[in-house]
Amino acid sequence: AQRVTQPEKLLSVFKGAPVELKCNYSYSGSPELFWYVQYSRQRLQLLLRHISRESIKGFTADLNKGETSFHLKKPFAQEEDSAMYYCALGQGGKLIFGQGTELSVKP
Amino acid sequence: DTEVTQTPKHLVMGMTNKKSLKCEQHMGHRAMYWYKQKAKKPPELMFVYSYEKLSINESVPSRFSPECPNSSLLNLHLHALQPEDSALYLCASSQAWGANTGELFFGEGSRLTVL
Repeated sequence: AQRVTQPEKLLSVFKGAPVELKCNYSYSGSPELFWYVQYSRQRLQLLLRHISRESIKGFTADLNKGETSFHLKKPFAQEEDSAMYYCALGQGGKLIFGQGTELSVKP
Repeated sequence: DTEVTQTPKHLVMGMTNKKSLKCEQHMGHRAMYWYKQKAKKPPELMFVYSYEKLSINESVPSRFSPECPNSSLLNLHLHALQPEDSALYLCASSQAWGANTGELFFGEGSRLTVL
């Protein structure tokens, strides 16, 4: 069955530290993977998709098919990065979300 | 207009009430979605409409009844709900629907409390 796993419920780092939010997936075909972010009192919005290979707000994510991973990384975390991050797998018109990781960046 | 707008933002209803949630988008998107989100949990897909036709129903109880009157509007009719149905209901839209999911644009949600 298709599944998205985010092993960390909460990740707490200090400002300026590197951050990596882990995401692993199980999918038999070619995956369509996304990172969505939900800032406090704001709507859920797309941060990154694997096909675009771009950097948004300093975040990057690389699809590793061998390890079935799509980890989200940023070299220097900022306080405004504090939010809930969801990894999601697109499958047959459905978006399947992982359980989410709450990132807290402390000053 | 590049937003998905949901009304009302908050709704409190009794178990015998009938109410509706509304969603609107003017981005020309042809796919619209209803998701349910409980506190500290990820959104769970309920329904997908593509070109105003119901394409996916994720085995949602019949007390939830979706309706897509036109390509810009999506309603969710609520009747005889249970307290466990209390949640944030999110509407989303995308340019198209099919094998490739594409980017979903989410509304801010309607927070429903069932007493």
